[in-house]
Amino acid sequence: DAGVTQSPTHLIKTRGQQVTLRCSPKSGHDTVSWYQQALGQGPQFIFQYYEEEERQRGNFPDRFSGHQFPNYSSELNVNALLLGDSALYLCASSFPGGNSYNSPLHFGNGTRLTVT
Amino acid sequence: AQTVTQSQPEMSVQEAETVTLSCTYDTSESDYYLFWYKQPPSRQMILVIRQEAYKQQNATENRFSVNFQKAAKSFSLKISDSQLGDAAMYFCAYVSSGNTGKLIFGQGTTLQVKP
Repeated sequence: DAGVTQSPTHLIKTRGQQVTLRCSPKSGHDTVSWYQQALGQGPQFIFQYYEEEERQRGNFPDRFSGHQFPNYSSELNVNALLLGDSALYLCASSFPGGNSYNSPLHFGNGTRLTVT
Repeated sequence: AQTVTQSQPEMSVQEAETVTLSCTYDTSESDYYLFWYKQPPSRQMILVIRQEAYKQQNATENRFSVNFQKAAKSFSLKISDSQLGDAAMYFCAYVSSGNTGKLIFGQGTTLQVKP
């Protein structure tokens, strides 16, 4: 049973460029959440996708956008990259409808993005 | 706004000993859930233990237990019989019952286990 998979593992980009990160949820899960984790900090919620729509959003600028596909996989896009966007980006999946207690998040290993 | 605070950036424990990691949170809601996640060098966040706010009984998972003090808004994690594999960064997290998926994490505590 595959868990949450993310690609790529590492990525180096230049300021001003655009980047796309990918996530496949755990088998049977159809809700995907994205988090940004700066070095030495706790993850911060970016947004959540369910039924191919953004259901919730954290305090991130519009440069951060996402998409969910019919197979429940998801992409995180970041435009006009800034040095401050350098972080570990974590994807997490869960069951729909259930609350966060009954359906806790399952996380992937993340994508390490470095912006130079 | 809800916040989660972990005041111990680093902790160390001798193998087989017991250690307690602290966490406090702030919320005006009455229905919520609390979690402790472990993040080893592999970077994957692993759920250690969870607690429902309306349950007074403290959660226990094998060597891991919590001390949940709702009035004090405190949620500490106790690790008994510490093992080398417990070394990791530990995050306390909060989520409102009506806000699935939007976990609010603390800053984390790095736990070192000494052989």
